[in-house]
Amino acid sequence: ETGVTQTPRHLVMGMTNKKSLKCEQHLGHNAMYWYKQSAKKPLELMFVYNFKEQTENNSVPSRFSPECPNSSHLFLHLHTLQPEDSALYLCASSLGNTPQPQHFGDGTRLSIL
Amino acid sequence: AQSVTQLGSHVSVSEGALVLLRCNYSSSVPPYLFWYVQYPNQGLQLLLKYTSAATLVKGINGFEAEFKKSETSFHLTKPSAHMSDAAEYFCVSRVIGGTSYGKLTFGQGTILTVHP
Repeated sequence: ETGVTQTPRHLVMGMTNKKSLKCEQHLGHNAMYWYKQSAKKPLELMFVYNFKEQTENNSVPSRFSPECPNSSHLFLHLHTLQPEDSALYLCASSLGNTPQPQHFGDGTRLSIL
Repeated sequence: AQSVTQLGSHVSVSEGALVLLRCNYSSSVPPYLFWYVQYPNQGLQLLLKYTSAATLVKGINGFEAEFKKSETSFHLTKPSAHMSDAAEYFCVSRVIGGTSYGKLTFGQGTILTVHP
């Protein structure tokens, strides 16, 4: 039990589908993050939210749309994805600007057909 | 700008042998440093953290790391490898302050293989 829960764990979708990834944390953290982990590539930070406000968008294509309704929940809405978007999507949370580490969920393995 | 370099994308050891995973960092200010482990089909799990208290940090599963400012290193060690240690390990730095909101800088990862 990591304290950060991601659903679904696996998702297969076509390029024209719309789906959403969900992340939930009950650690009392105020910052939440989306990362993309592709095979043979370093972990890529996608978005950062701090107290529900987006503080970073790391040049992510608009087909990825994040939503953070409160400090405990984070969503990633997916629309018209490409095959190269197939990857493991990891959510993390932390106590904002402190030395404490980020806590990661187990990720959603996304496959685009 | 920060950077983290892990020397060796693959390390192979025999069960019972010493594990040494190398990490060097570059930062304009003293960073906070972490080692994470990732098992197949799982997220990243924190092994240990350095937050400027003691330079020798002990973590879970018998791992430890030593912060050496003069060498800008934070190598991960374990005296005796176990088969269950086979995984990918990430060295990570974090700088606090400004608008970074504690953004992490990841090393490239080192895949540890343990042979019987």
